[in-house]
Amino acid sequence: AQKITQTQPGMFVQEKEAVTLDCTYDTSDQSYGLFWYKQPSSGEMIFLIYQGSYDEQNATEGRYSLNFQKARKSANLVISASQLGDSAMYFCAMRDLNFGNEKLTFGTGTRLTIIP
Amino acid sequence: DAGITQSPRHKVTETGTPVTLRCHQTENHRYMYWYRQDPGHGLRLIHYSYGVKDTDKGEVSDGYSVSRSKTEDFLLTLESATSSQTSVYFCAISGGLAGGRGVNEQFFGPGTRLTVL
Repeated sequence: AQKITQTQPGMFVQEKEAVTLDCTYDTSDQSYGLFWYKQPSSGEMIFLIYQGSYDEQNATEGRYSLNFQKARKSANLVISASQLGDSAMYFCAMRDLNFGNEKLTFGTGTRLTIIP
Repeated sequence: DAGITQSPRHKVTETGTPVTLRCHQTENHRYMYWYRQDPGHGLRLIHYSYGVKDTDKGEVSDGYSVSRSKTEDFLLTLESATSSQTSVYFCAISGGLAGGRGVNEQFFGPGTRLTVL
C-alpha cells in the first residue's frame, strides 16, 4: 500500500520569498511517480509537476521544482519567488507506474498563504 | 483544459434518495476516476474505470456504484444517500501509456458539491 504524508497543514510566506512544501511517501514499489497538484480557492485541481522514481534529475517546471530524495522517501515542492497567486492548497500524490495501476494516492494537503 | 465536465455542479438531496453524478470527457482517455474530497483527508479514490464496462473499487467504495457504458461517460451513483456522503466529488481522467511507464498525470474535472440533508 502507498501512503503520502504532508506534515504542514498551513504555511504563511512573505511574497517573493521561496517556499518549500514537505512531502514524504511510503511504498514498496520500485517504479513509481510523484505528483504535485495545486487547488486554488475556486476549487479546481491543477497539475504542477511530476517526478519519476528512476529520474536522476529533479523535475522543474518554471518556478516549481521538486526536491526528490529517494533514500529519504521525500518529494518536497519548492516554489521560487512566491506570488500572491500561489496562495492555495497543495497536494502531493503518488502512483505505481506499472501498467494497469493508474490510481493516485493523495496526501492531506498544505494550505499556503502568501503575505503581501 | 482536458475536456472534462461534471454534472450537476451542485446538488442538495435528502437522506435515503438515490443520486447520480455524471462525468463526461471529450479526450478519449482510457482511464476515469471518481474521488471525494473531505477536510483533513485530501482526495480519496471511490471507484475507477480502465475501459468500457471495466471498473474497480477504490479505498472508499462502500455506498457507491459506478457504470461506464461509453468511453466518454462515467457515472457515480449513491444508491441511498447518507449525510456522511456530503462531500465534493471530483472526476479525473488519464491516458494510460502502453507499457505503463512515463509521465501520466490525471486531469481533473471542476468538481460537484453534494450536500445530503
